[in-house]
Amino acid sequence: DIQMTQSPSSLSVSVGDSVTITCRASQSIKSFLNWYQQKPGKAPKLLIYGASTLQTGVPSRFSGSGSGTEFTLTISSLQPEDFATYYCQQSHRALKTFGQGTKVEFK
Amino acid sequence: EVQLLESGGGLVRPGGSLRLSCAASGFTFSSYAMAWVRQAPGKGLEWVSSISGTGDTTYYGDSVRGRFTISRDNSKTTMFLQMNSLRADDTAVYYCAKESSYSGVGGDFDYWGQGTLVAVSS
Repeated sequence: DIQMTQSPSSLSVSVGDSVTITCRASQSIKSFLNWYQQKPGKAPKLLIYGASTLQTGVPSRFSGSGSGTEFTLTISSLQPEDFATYYCQQSHRALKTFGQGTKVEFK
Repeated sequence: EVQLLESGGGLVRPGGSLRLSCAASGFTFSSYAMAWVRQAPGKGLEWVSSISGTGDTTYYGDSVRGRFTISRDNSKTTMFLQMNSLRADDTAVYYCAKESSYSGVGGDFDYWGQGTLVAVSS
């Protein structure tokens, strides 16, 4: 199975900060990498698919990059509604895997 | 509007069985793979199983293979997860998710249900 490793596991930030989350795959997954946002008690929400394509309706302050084994999610100018947990997920193989999550907390 | 509504969760004893359902609407159900994703209390997301649009291809995570069975009824736009030999570590919120691909490979989970809680305890 392909293992996905996110870093950091948590970070404390302030409104207006820029945030970068890294996701590494144990083998090449080309660009089959998706990012999700989850708020407490809610279902996850797709933010970015194919490593860098923004899902419809997602603000442009979210961006994704990378290919192969290393990927990043960047949130520029963090807004109050962005405090949440973020997950990467690979879909290169039928047996899909998620990263362990990155919790973005208020400093 | 895409809607996914899970049902069937509840409290079950170790070794018991449970069948989850996911009623879908708002899209051409048979054109998309569907999946179950779970989240144990306070933990991260874990993909459980996927099924292709026609239902002829299924995939399972290592932790549930041989115990869980995914299926779908395209005439009723409903997906199912039959869970047997349940264990305490199966306790989680189970989400139904629509995949953006037909086959179950290469896509993403673009729509999610609200989840149903399965608790396995004696």
